[in-house]
Amino acid sequence: RKEVEQDPGPFNVPEGATVAFNCTYSNSASQSFFWYRQDCRKEPKLLMSVYSSGNEDGRFTAQLNRASQYISLLIRDSKLSDSATYLCVVIHGGKLIFGQGTELSVKP
Amino acid sequence: NAGVTQTPKFRVLKTGQSMTLLCAQDMNHEYMYWYRQDPGMGLRLIHYSVGEGTTAKGEVPDGYNVSRLKKQNFLLGLESAAPSQTSVYFCASHLAGNKNIQYFGAGTRLSVL
Repeated sequence: RKEVEQDPGPFNVPEGATVAFNCTYSNSASQSFFWYRQDCRKEPKLLMSVYSSGNEDGRFTAQLNRASQYISLLIRDSKLSDSATYLCVVIHGGKLIFGQGTELSVKP
Repeated sequence: NAGVTQTPKFRVLKTGQSMTLLCAQDMNHEYMYWYRQDPGMGLRLIHYSVGEGTTAKGEVPDGYNVSRLKKQNFLLGLESAAPSQTSVYFCASHLAGNKNIQYFGAGTRLSVL
């Protein structure tokens, strides 16, 4: 079993749609959680940290459920510019562990 | 602000050749990392360093060596390149502490023929 697993993609959605990505992690001792965004052939960039209380940044909402070892990212009112690969990232033992990524394609 | 700079950006090698990838950061970060990314896969950790003069193995260290002689530089070496090492390589760095955000370089695209 992979340490961090994400929904297989790709997700193809129309503009304005709401889309949710799911991620599970295997090690209950994992310490910090993030969502990164990666555009085609470019470096990953931090989208947002994920906190147990849940956190929101504009159209993006992240949730963490430690009991279920589950992380989610919700994107509301999708824009064309949201098209990218979204990477779930977990810190364990001081190292970042990446999920394989979920590709999102937002169509007009 | 240069941030994290990787050189070269692209390289084509023949099997058996050697090369060194350079990662330089100007943010005085303690931690530095080398990852590789292959199609359909997330980033996999090759080696990392928690400070000048120290290195440690990651998930996929075989075929690679690293050095951290200066705090700002982290070098990744391929002594005898193999086609399986064709990949995109990313360097990253961050301040000490688990909650500090990693900053990535733009990547090095390496092809081994």
